[in-house]
Amino acid sequence: GAGVSQSPRYKVAKRGQDVALRCDPISGHVSLFWYQQALGQGPEFLTYFQNEAQLDKSGLPSDRFFAERPEGSVSTLKIQRTQQEDSAVYLCASSLEVTQYFGPGTRLTVL
Amino acid sequence: GNSVTQMEGPVTLSEEAFLTINCTYTATGYPSLFWYVQYPGEGLQLLLKATKADDKGSNKGFEATYRKETTSFHLEKGSVQVSDSAVYFCALSDPFGNEKLTFGTGTRLTIIP
Repeated sequence: GAGVSQSPRYKVAKRGQDVALRCDPISGHVSLFWYQQALGQGPEFLTYFQNEAQLDKSGLPSDRFFAERPEGSVSTLKIQRTQQEDSAVYLCASSLEVTQYFGPGTRLTVL
Repeated sequence: GNSVTQMEGPVTLSEEAFLTINCTYTATGYPSLFWYVQYPGEGLQLLLKATKADDKGSNKGFEATYRKETTSFHLEKGSVQVSDSAVYFCALSDPFGNEKLTFGTGTRLTIIP
């Protein structure tokens, strides 16, 4: 079956612009995670959904970051007033039990 | 809090050499342990996992054993191939919460023919 998909794959934004990153999880997966991966580093947790409920947002770096999953399937990560330090690859993962399956990521570059 | 420390790279080996990438962790409770691999231009893929102490995960010739006494999950392969060139990440899942993953910094492996 289809894996996790993310769009866009690449996004270039000017500092101060808002961006929206989309994640389509594997069908039927209850859990959805967002991670941020800086260059040369491992992914770092941002937020977690179980169905439509956002149960953990402890990793969001500032109140400029907002995520939603209104119908318990597709999720959107929004970053307002982007800053250069937001440049990273944003990864989405979904899971049914323990194992998380990752999408290809969205590479965000803020100029 | 939880943390993962893995061997720094880059690591360069000749084809058919023996591979070890060290990984140790700090966690409360009994996390599940994972190795993920990122091939050039691709996303993270699960390589293997172990969910309890003394379990051995294996896949594609790679193995790792969950050692609670040494809090380690070292990745090994007996004979590497050029196609194994990738970045390898060790990770653990939080057993007390939502299973969010804590990753190491990654080890870049290059195999030369």
